[in-house]
Amino acid sequence: NAGVTQTPKFQVLKTGQSMTLQCAQDMNHEYMSWYRQDPGMGLRLIHYSVGAGITDQGEVPNGYNVSRSTTEDFPLRLLSAAPSQTSVYFCASSYDGQGVGNTIYFGEGSWLTVV
Amino acid sequence: AQTVTQSQPEMSVQEAETVTLSCTYDTSENNYYLFWYKQPPSRQMILVIRQEAYKQQNATENRFSVNFQKAAKSFSLKISDSQLGDTAMYFCAFMKPSNFGNEKLTFGTGTRLTIIP
Repeated sequence: NAGVTQTPKFQVLKTGQSMTLQCAQDMNHEYMSWYRQDPGMGLRLIHYSVGAGITDQGEVPNGYNVSRSTTEDFPLRLLSAAPSQTSVYFCASSYDGQGVGNTIYFGEGSWLTVV
Repeated sequence: AQTVTQSQPEMSVQEAETVTLSCTYDTSENNYYLFWYKQPPSRQMILVIRQEAYKQQNATENRFSVNFQKAAKSFSLKISDSQLGDTAMYFCAFMKPSNFGNEKLTFGTGTRLTIIP
């Protein structure tokens, strides 16, 4: 059971480039989300999805795009990278359709540097 | 909107001692969940302990326990017999549950805990 898998783990981008952070989970979770973590701050929610075909914005969505074509995958796209997007990105999933207040499982993080 | 406050940016304690990390939160909800996550230098987020607001009994997981004071909106983490492997960043987090699966976490800014040999 792999849990939540993020790729790549490290990436350096030039300002203006675009890229996609991949996230996949094998726990049949309906809810998936992306957070970013900046120095001295807790994780902040970028976008989330409550199921295939359904996405919504979180606290800091600007500059990012998401889609959810399958239950397993939830990629995060940076449209035109900016130095302010240098951060550690975490993908998370929860909720297998039963109960509420489910534990959220995190991937191992993706370190992104924009120069 | 909910807010989570961790007022101790850094703490250190001798190995084998007990340490308590503080967390307060603000919400108008009556039913919610609280979590403590550990983030070691590897940056992975690891769930330490979870508390349901409707439960009066404080959660316990081996050496980790919480002191949940609902009226005071306080949720502290106690680590007993601290070990070198406990050195990490600790985040307190709040979650308002949802029947629709959109259960978002609100995090505090973290407490960096160092266990001294």
